Amino acid sequence: AQSVAQPEDQVNVAEGNPLTVKCTYSVSGNPYLFWYVQYPNRGLQFLLKYITGDNLVKGSYGFEAEFNKSQTSFHLKKPSALVSDSALYFCAVRDRGSNSGYALNFGKGTSLLVTP
Amino acid sequence: KAGVTQTPRYLIKTRGQQVTLSCSPISGHRSVSWYQQTPGQGLQFLFEYFSETQRNKGNFPGRFSGRQFSNSRSEMNVSTLELGDSALYLCASSSAGAHNTEAFFGQGTRLTVV
Repeated sequence: AQSVAQPEDQVNVAEGNPLTVKCTYSVSGNPYLFWYVQYPNRGLQFLLKYITGDNLVKGSYGFEAEFNKSQTSFHLKKPSALVSDSALYFCAVRDRGSNSGYALNFGKGTSLLVTP
Repeated sequence: KAGVTQTPRYLIKTRGQQVTLSCSPISGHRSVSWYQQTPGQGLQFLFEYFSETQRNKGNFPGRFSGRQFSNSRSEMNVSTLELGDSALYLCASSSAGAHNTEAFFGQGTRLTVV
């Protein structure tokens, strides 16, 4: 069975500082990994995904994520945080198996607060 | 290209009633998935439809059902509403091109059961 863990309910960072939002996963095989962001009263917006290849994935709005197979982690990073990055961030996995459809298994979410 | 459209945006229903939510996917997308988001349980997968067939189902009671039409539009229905069904219901669409494709989400329908 798949599971995704986001160990921090909230991450606080000062504007201009680097940020990291952590995600670890537990699945059989090699899953597809995704990061989404949610602003208040809105749906989820896609940030980036890991499929295969380079372990450092670059996405929207200056975000990037590092895939680490040995640690089964997929942490989201940004070199310099903005106040407007304050939102709820979700890590998700999808099984590569053809019978699994396109269902996503989400972590609990991490609330990011960037202070001026 | 228009995004995923969910209607209505907000809904208030009484316990015991039934409700139908609608989702129009991005043009050309054939996969539609539904998720329930609550503060306590987070984002939970309800079901996925592909070419009018339910392809995958989450761990929800039979009161939750859905369907997909030939134009890929989807509806989900919740019968005999309970207070615990109050949630943000999100619809996501994906193209059928590859298994690694990302899902695009609508803004959701906020259901309140009183």
